[in-house]
Amino acid sequence: GQNIDQPTEMTATEGAIVQINCTYQTSGFNGLFWYQQHAGEAPTFLSYNVLDGLEEKGRFSSFLSRSKGYSYLLLKELQMKDSASYLCAVRAYSGGSYIPTFGRGTSLIVHP
Amino acid sequence: DVKVTQSSRYLVKRTGEKVFLECVQDMDHENMFWYRQDPGLGLRLIYFSYDVKMKEKGDIPEGYSVSREKKERFSLILESASTNQTSMYLCASSLGFQEEKTQYFGPGTRLLVL
Repeated sequence: GQNIDQPTEMTATEGAIVQINCTYQTSGFNGLFWYQQHAGEAPTFLSYNVLDGLEEKGRFSSFLSRSKGYSYLLLKELQMKDSASYLCAVRAYSGGSYIPTFGRGTSLIVHP
Repeated sequence: DVKVTQSSRYLVKRTGEKVFLECVQDMDHENMFWYRQDPGLGLRLIYFSYDVKMKEKGDIPEGYSVSREKKERFSLILESASTNQTSMYLCASSLGFQEEKTQYFGPGTRLLVL
């Protein structure tokens, strides 16, 4: 099985930077995903890391350390619309398939 | 644009009823997934399918079954709905190789079992 841990809730100020951490324990690791989910909507893809290091995409960056079982999502220049739940998902090879397992999500509240 | 559609956004059923949730994707994806999402528990995998007529149990398959007769369609069946199956149900699809970078989610079906 897999164990994925991320904080339940975070708050931050508009214009600031926030880092959302995700730790995991798994065998057959095959990539880590971050999704954004606004209330009442489906999750949408943000980033994918399979090798160690930082992936930057505009205001959002994602980091992975496979040896530490650790990732973070960095959000810069926060906007009110960034208030959402952020889901960390780890994909692992199991029984002939590549299956993602999701953490419980981090609810981010951005205030003025 | 990849599109994943689900048959209903909201559904109200009675305990003991048989419930069908339908999911259709238009991108010829091999993999399809059914999740339920509950507050504080996150997304939990019920069943997935990596090919037509193939199905695999996820983390919480009890009380559910699935059907994949055509590549584009993946159905979730609640044989006898119970109140603890009240939840948001999300369908997703992805290509079948390991380099595929994301799943695409449908809008979700919010099911209430009375």
